[in-house]
Amino acid sequence: DGGITQSPKYLFRKEGQNVTLSCEQNLNHDAMYWYRQDPGQGLRLIYYSQIVNDFQKGDIAEGYSVSREKKESFPLTVTSAQKNPTAFYLCASSDGGLQPPNSPLHFGNGTRLTVT
Amino acid sequence: KQEVTQIPAALSVPEGENLVLNCSFTDSAIYNLQWFRQDPGKGLTSLLLIQSSQREQTSGRLNASLDKSSGRSTLYIAASQPGDSATYLCAVIINQAGTALIFGKGTTLSVSS
Repeated sequence: DGGITQSPKYLFRKEGQNVTLSCEQNLNHDAMYWYRQDPGQGLRLIYYSQIVNDFQKGDIAEGYSVSREKKESFPLTVTSAQKNPTAFYLCASSDGGLQPPNSPLHFGNGTRLTVT
Repeated sequence: KQEVTQIPAALSVPEGENLVLNCSFTDSAIYNLQWFRQDPGKGLTSLLLIQSSQREQTSGRLNASLDKSSGRSTLYIAASQPGDSATYLCAVIINQAGTALIFGKGTTLSVSS
């Protein structure tokens, strides 16, 4: 079955440590996205990538970094510079790439990161 | 700046009722609008995607309408079931590349049996 896999489901880290969240898709989608979801707030875009080896900052990129070395993978690193990293992180993909967005966004099941 | 509002924030109905969830947006210059469902602790599942040139989309018991000029979309759920209990989010897509989605905060629906 095609889909998006995020791992791990739960992640615990000490303050000051960098942590990398995994996102893999086998949908052959060009575009991939990272969102953050906090209680009582809508989803906010962290980074997105329309093609391999290219990515763009979203609305809240500070304290995060990404890479897109392979079409199917878009890992997100939460660095120690992120002041409030505890949140639910969602990865998504779409077939849009550089073309008009006529295809829906598909999401993974998320990673809940807790930093203490 | 585009803002997306979903009212009500929470809704409780008995099984079998037809119901309407509302989504409003402040800027009518959108490309598409998408409705999602989110179960607790899970990711989002796409329900319906309405392109800006369309007025509505249907999938099973779900029907979504779009009125760009008034900045509104509704999600109609017919004959609600307990399995419909979830949070429903709408998102407007504001650029042609589809990389800029603005999400509402969602409506949490509870259907009792």
